[in-house]
Amino acid sequence: NAGVTQTPKFQVLKTGQSMTLQCAQDMNHNSMYWYRQDPGMGLRLIYYSASEGTTDKGEVPNGYNVSRLNKREFSLRLESAAPSQTSVYFCASSRGHGDNQPQHFGDGTRLSIL
Amino acid sequence: RKEVEQDPGPFNVPEGATVAFNCTYSNSASQSFFWYRQDCRKEPKLLMSVYSSGNEDGRFTAQLNRASQYISLLIRDSKLSDSATYLCVVNVGGKLIFGQGTELSVKP
Repeated sequence: NAGVTQTPKFQVLKTGQSMTLQCAQDMNHNSMYWYRQDPGMGLRLIYYSASEGTTDKGEVPNGYNVSRLNKREFSLRLESAAPSQTSVYFCASSRGHGDNQPQHFGDGTRLSIL
Repeated sequence: RKEVEQDPGPFNVPEGATVAFNCTYSNSASQSFFWYRQDCRKEPKLLMSVYSSGNEDGRFTAQLNRASQYISLLIRDSKLSDSATYLCVVNVGGKLIFGQGTELSVKP
């Protein structure tokens, strides 16, 4: 029962470094999402992929890029990390986009940028 | 104004108490509604969907008032294990909009 798997679970970067957060789901879901969660704020959508082959910006896309590698995998890349990107990142998936289905979340990546 | 607003709490209640959480949303085009539970910055987990007619799942009852754009969650007979942050979530055009969450602490 893996569900949504994120790697790594923790990461510390220096300002300006790049890295890719990985996400994979085994539920045969069509849609995948990346969120960030900061203290005092709700989860905010960074990017999403409604279906394989498509990606769209969410509420806070600046400083990030994504790749929907295949139906199972959706990666988030920070090209030049900044301290403001210190956050907890959650990947989620759902059966479809806009079909009123709930999303299922991975257990998060805790990222610190020094 | 935030799209989804919740009282952040914390709500401190004794075991066995009944507690109610409220949530308001601003987008009248919202399509579906959920309550999620989040423990100590772990991943959010779906607690229950919220239907227009109201729905119940054991000790949990959810209500939706579309006219007032208001959602509620009632927890009866609180358990220590109910201590968590409860997130009100609204689906708008396929995107989930999260409230800040309401923190609940159930004490012995």
